[in-house]
Amino acid sequence: QKEVEQDPGPLSVPEGAIVSLNCTYSNSAFQYFMWYRQYSRKGPELLMYTYSSGNKEDGRFTAQVDKSSKYISLFIRDSQPSDSATYLCAMRGTDSGSARQLTFGSGTQLTVLP
Amino acid sequence: KAGVTQTPRYLIKTRGQQVTLSCSPISGHRSVSWYQQTPGQGLQFLFEYFSETQRNKGNFPGRFSGRQFSNSRSEMNVSTLELGDSALYLCASSQTVTGELFFGEGSRLTVL
Repeated sequence: QKEVEQDPGPLSVPEGAIVSLNCTYSNSAFQYFMWYRQYSRKGPELLMYTYSSGNKEDGRFTAQVDKSSKYISLFIRDSQPSDSATYLCAMRGTDSGSARQLTFGSGTQLTVLP
Repeated sequence: KAGVTQTPRYLIKTRGQQVTLSCSPISGHRSVSWYQQTPGQGLQFLFEYFSETQRNKGNFPGRFSGRQFSNSRSEMNVSTLELGDSALYLCASSQTVTGELFFGEGSRLTVL
């Protein structure tokens, strides 16, 4: 079983819909949680970065972390066709010596239909 | 400010050959990390370099190696290529060893 599980989709929604993307994990040492967006033939770009449990909002994006359930979510409000991409969750522990060693989910492919 | 630059973008090799991939980090970034991305395994950490020293290494065989130069540019090498090495190899740089990772567009390697 992988340390981080993510539904690969694909997920198709109409423009304007609220999108919910989720990951579950098994390693209780994970404390930092990230969401990356990857367009086709591009490298991943960081969308959201959270530490420990709680919510974080940035424009149309909200990240939630529930450490008790080992479950993280990304919500996209008022989704746009330009949001069509693969969304990857990533996480790591607190050891600064391995801070670059992120564990990624497999990614969810999202298509927002105009 | 220029982003992370990786060369070559695409390459085709045959089994048994070796390959060298290059990464130029964002100016001022001293940490360079390498990841392998495949449809089956997703993104997997290869190794990280900071100030010309390897700080951390993922669970990959010794055929995978890398180095970093004094100008922070990095190279990774894969020797004795296998079909399973076909992947997108991503380089990421950061200003510090805990800062945000900025990824390049990757080098897509196909092994025939």
